[in-house]
Amino acid sequence: AQSVTQPDIHITVSEGASLELRCNYSYGATPYLFWYVQSPGQGLQLLLKYFSGDTLVQGIKGFEAEFKRSQSSFNLRKPSVHWSDAAEYFCAVGALRAGRRALTFGSGTRLQVQP
Amino acid sequence: NAGVTQTPKFQVLKTGQSMTLQCAQDMNHEYMSWYRQDPGMGLRLIHYSVGAGITDQGEVPNGYNVSRSTTEDFPLRLLSAAPSQTSVYFCASSTAGQGPSNGPYFGSGTRLTVV
Repeated sequence: AQSVTQPDIHITVSEGASLELRCNYSYGATPYLFWYVQSPGQGLQLLLKYFSGDTLVQGIKGFEAEFKRSQSSFNLRKPSVHWSDAAEYFCAVGALRAGRRALTFGSGTRLQVQP
Repeated sequence: NAGVTQTPKFQVLKTGQSMTLQCAQDMNHEYMSWYRQDPGMGLRLIHYSVGAGITDQGEVPNGYNVSRSTTEDFPLRLLSAAPSQTSVYFCASSTAGQGPSNGPYFGSGTRLTVV
């Protein structure tokens, strides 16, 4: 069965600093991978996704992620964090069922941004 | 969130009561899913559907029923609510292919409390 691990429960960065959120997955085949962001009391917004091809994926809000098969990782990065990026971030993997759209999520990383 | 509508936004139930959480999408997506979100556990898949008339169980299906009579609607039924079903419920929809607008997209959620 597939699984996703987000090792960092909580991360604090200064505004303007770079950001990297870690995600490791376990899946037997080539995975479909997703990153979502959730602001307090809100739903989930899709930041980016990887299905195949170029391993560096560009998303919305200046985020990017790199798929590394050898490390089973799909880390999310942003070169300069803004205060509005404070939220919870979820990594997810889509298995073969439901066209790989039925997702298994990590437990999330809460990002705090210091002024 | 693009085109996924969940109702109600909040609900309080007494133990043993039944209710239906509604989910509708207007994007003609074939895939729809229900998740529950509990603190520290990310989102867990309850049920999913790959098209009208076709549903299947996810990771935590016990206590929940679904049906999909139309492409647009995917209601989640609690037949006899229990306090363990207190959670935030999210519905998602998506379509096949790798395009940037194929999702999955999430609704804004239903916060359910069972007392």
